[in-house]
Amino acid sequence: DIQMTQSPSSLSASVGDRVTITCRASQGISNYLAWYQQKPGKVPKLLIYAASTLQSGVPSRFSGSGSGTDFTLTVSSLQPEDVATYYCQQCNSAPPTFGGGTKVEIK
Amino acid sequence: EVQLVESGGGLVQPGGSLRLSCAASGFTFSNYGMSWVRQAPGKGLEWVSGISGSGSTTYDADSVRGRFTISRDNSKNTLYLQMNSLRAEDTAVYYCAKTGGYSYAYVASWGQGALVTVSS
Repeated sequence: DIQMTQSPSSLSASVGDRVTITCRASQGISNYLAWYQQKPGKVPKLLIYAASTLQSGVPSRFSGSGSGTDFTLTVSSLQPEDVATYYCQQCNSAPPTFGGGTKVEIK
Repeated sequence: EVQLVESGGGLVQPGGSLRLSCAASGFTFSNYGMSWVRQAPGKGLEWVSGISGSGSTTYDADSVRGRFTISRDNSKNTLYLQMNSLRAEDTAVYYCAKTGGYSYAYVASWGQGALVTVSS
């Protein structure tokens, strides 16, 4: 199975800050990478698929990049409503494994 | 609008069985792979099983292989997860998931989840 490693596991940033979360795959996955946001007590929500394609309705301050084994999710200007846990998932091969998550808080 | 409504969750004793159902609407069900994803209390997301649009191909996580069976009835727009030989570590919220296409593609839409508690 492909292992997905996210870092950091948590972060605290101020409103307006640029925030970057990284995800590393244990082997190459091309661009078969998705990012999800899960707010406290809520259902996960798809943010980005195919490494950099923004899901419809997702604010443009979210962006994704990367290919192969290294990927990033960037929030260009952190907002209070972005407090959540973020997960990456590889979809290159079954089982489609998730990263451990990154909890984002407001400083 | 895509709607996924799970049912069948509840409390079951270790070694017992449970069947989850997911009623889908708002899209052409047979055109999409579907998955089950679970989340244990306070933990991260874990993909459980996936099935192709036709139902001919299925995939399972190692943790459930041989105990859980995913299936679908395209005439009823319904996805199922038959769970046998349940263990305490299977306790989780189980989400029904519409993928972006194939069986193990990204999750495009999520249900509200069904809580399964395995305890004596």
